[in-house]
Amino acid sequence: AAGVIQSPRHLIKEKRETATLKCYPIPRHDTVYWYQQGPGQDPQFLISFYEKMQSDKGSIPDRFSAQQFSDYHSELNMSSLELGDSALYFCASRVVGPNTEAFFGQGTRLTVV
Amino acid sequence: AQKITQTQPGMFVQEKEAVTLDCTYDTSDQSYGLFWYKQPSSGEMIFLIYQGSYDEQNATEGRYSLNFQKARKSANLVISASQLGDSAMYFCAMREADSGYSTLTFGKGTMLLVSP
Repeated sequence: AAGVIQSPRHLIKEKRETATLKCYPIPRHDTVYWYQQGPGQDPQFLISFYEKMQSDKGSIPDRFSAQQFSDYHSELNMSSLELGDSALYFCASRVVGPNTEAFFGQGTRLTVV
Repeated sequence: AQKITQTQPGMFVQEKEAVTLDCTYDTSDQSYGLFWYKQPSSGEMIFLIYQGSYDEQNATEGRYSLNFQKARKSANLVISASQLGDSAMYFCAMREADSGYSTLTFGKGTMLLVSP
């Protein structure tokens, strides 16, 4: 069965550079979530999209932006990268409704040096 | 206030034994969902089990069961017959307004180590 695909799996950037992370949700899933998980931390919600519209916003810095495209894939754009942005970034997708779990991608590990 | 509390930073268990990972939650919503995810050292987040707030029976999925005590607001994960491959970080999570598009809120996690 198709899973959530994230690319790239690993990314190394220098401070002040930009990064773009991509997420391809499971087909027919209408909601995408982005999470940031720092080393030894629990995942923190960044932003979500429902049917290509932003549905909720969490602790996403102003330097970050995201969008969902007509084919439902989503991109997280990160600018002016800081050392503290080094983390595992997860995308998850689900179908809105009761009793539906969110399926997570394998994550993108971003290292800012 | 923390919405999800996992009080056990780490747990040790021997292979083939059962283990209970604690989770308490805080919400004023009537409709919510409780989830457990497993995160091995490789980093991926693996869904294990789900319990809806209106479900009267405790959820079970193979060796995983969820001990849901609504009045106490607890949703403990029970792993029966532990295996070496169960060694991982376990996160309890909650989604409020369960039928909507609201997000998951995670606890701090419990690291489980299974020894031979």
